[in-house]
Order: sequence, then C-alpha cells, then structure tokens
Amino acid sequence: GAVVSQHPSRVICKSGTSVKIECRSLDFQATTMFWYRQFPKQSLMLMATSNEGSKATYEQGVEKDKFLINHASLTLSTLTVTSAHPEDSSFYICSASGGFPNQPQHFGDGTRLSIL
Amino acid sequence: EDQVTQSPEALRLQEGESSSLNCSYTVSGLRGLFWYRQDPGKGPEFLFTLYSAGEEKEKERLKATLTKKESFLHITAPKPEDSATYLCAVPLSNTGKLIFGQGTTLQVKP
Repeated sequence: GAVVSQHPSRVICKSGTSVKIECRSLDFQATTMFWYRQFPKQSLMLMATSNEGSKATYEQGVEKDKFLINHASLTLSTLTVTSAHPEDSSFYICSASGGFPNQPQHFGDGTRLSIL
Repeated sequence: EDQVTQSPEALRLQEGESSSLNCSYTVSGLRGLFWYRQDPGKGPEFLFTLYSAGEEKEKERLKATLTKKESFLHITAPKPEDSATYLCAVPLSNTGKLIFGQGTTLQVKP
C-alpha cells in the first residue's frame, strides 16, 4: 500500500523550455502533497506544500512563478518548472500524505531534470 | 528551534557487523518520528513510524527505537543490500511538513 508514482523519471531539455512533472497517489487519497528538491549528497529541501483544491504554500526563497504547482484532485499534483534554466537542474521528489500531520509521507521515485 | 541531527554521516561495515545509527531531535511536542531508506537516484522509502518513548519497531534486520531525545536504527548482521542512506524525520507542528536529518550513508561490504 501507499504507492506514489512520479513521472517522468528523467528529463533532458533545452534552456527556456517548461517542464511538467506529475505525482500520483495510486492507492490512497492524498489531501496533501509535497514537492522537494535534492542536491547531490544533501538531504531533501522542501519547496512547497500542495493541498487539493487550494493554492500551494511555498517555502521561503522558492519562486512561485518559476515552480507552478497544481493539485486538482486527491490523487494528482503537478509541478511545472517554467522557462527552465541550467540552474534549475536538480532531482525533484514529490510525496503524498493521507492528510493527518502525524502520518508518514510516502515518496515518489523522483525526477532527474537536466537543462542544457 | 526544531532540529534533527543524524550521526554518523557515513558508516562502513563488514557484512554481519551489527551497528546503530543515531537520530537526535529537538522539537516542541513530538508528533512522531519517521525512518526512511533512500537508494541513489530514488525517492525515500518509508521504513518505520515511532510515536512515543519506549516504542520499538522491527523489520527484517532493522529495529528502530525511540527515547524522549533520540531514536536509534539498529542494524543486525547487515548485508550488502542494506547499503543506502537512512534518513530520519519529524513532523513540524500541525503543518505536516517534515524536518529531515542530513542522513547516514551506510555501506556494507561483503
């Protein structure tokens, strides 16, 4: 149980391209989804919290116009990196929670984004 | 300030050599502590949840314990396939956000 699917697993594209990453909870309803960024040999850095049907809450320093988040249903959240540049290259990971603050988050397998 | 600290940063073991990983936390009102395993190029895989001091959870060669200030992940007779980065995390207040430790990278040599 508690499976989170993230697609695509890897994206390579040119600078200026917008890239959409999908995160789906396959066997449970996720009222809350989270988007993280992870740099090599570092822990996860929270970018934003996404609640179904409402606007995402972004962490300090994260550009909301650069990283557009949509959580249109209880099983799907998307992260769109708009006009991506090489400095946006990173490993992006989503997670989903059943909604209770003290329940664990379940993570997707991540998306390796490389901007040329 | 809420904080989670893991030690050691890296651990090398021989196959069969048992050891423990530490996760120290400072939070106002613990709402649970989670252990995850992360393989290179993958998202974290959930292992355990601990909610109260004295609680223990086991899964194969892993056992997690919790006190009021720290948690331990004990690895008994590890195998090379146990090599991974182990992360602990605690929820921040009622937001659902997690505070992660920096992780312990475990390497088990055959």
